[in-house]
Amino acid sequence: GENVEQHPSTLSVQEGDSAVIKCTYSDSASNYFPWYKQELGKRPQLIIDIRSNVGEKKDQRIAVTLNKTAKHFSLHITETQPEDSAVYFCAARYNAGNMLTFGGGTRLMVKP
Amino acid sequence: DAGVTQSPTHLIKTRGQQVTLRCSPKSGHDTVSWYQQALGQGPQFIFQYYEEEERQRGNFPDRFSGHQFPNYSSELNVNALLLGDSALYLCASSLDGGQSGELFFGEGSRLTVL
Repeated sequence: GENVEQHPSTLSVQEGDSAVIKCTYSDSASNYFPWYKQELGKRPQLIIDIRSNVGEKKDQRIAVTLNKTAKHFSLHITETQPEDSAVYFCAARYNAGNMLTFGGGTRLMVKP
Repeated sequence: DAGVTQSPTHLIKTRGQQVTLRCSPKSGHDTVSWYQQALGQGPQFIFQYYEEEERQRGNFPDRFSGHQFPNYSSELNVNALLLGDSALYLCASSLDGGQSGELFFGEGSRLTVL
């Protein structure tokens, strides 16, 4: 089955700096890669996603890049703010059944 | 428009007991997936229900079972509880048997097994 690895497990940045979280996946048939943000005690919320026919996608301060050849994808957050502090999860879907395989998560801390 | 709702929000059980968790999908969604999230880890797929049938299953034992009702709501049942079953159980809904891509998660049911 699919295996997703996520790095780093924790990331601390100063407010205004950029943050980058990286994930690799194992199954070349994976075709959908969402990123979820989970605040303490809350549900995971989709912040951005990308499909395998696209190399990059942006939404304001958030961007995701996908390298299908290397089987890795990354989340980029620019101009970080304290409210960006949360745990971020990457995921991959390798068939049409919508089963997601999640990475282990990255705890992002943005210091004011 | 109500999102995904789950009940109960918290519960405590003892080893060997059985538990039933409930989920109502987002309005208009027909597919329900269940995930287990242990503390400090990413969610792990348990199974997915579509058209009242289990459509996909992750690497979980038969102690984990489920059901989907005609109104698309779903239940997750866990028998013979183990300490390791302590986790946040997340329900996620989607559309068209999962073809739409995006999953919407509920707030979860936090199960503690003593």
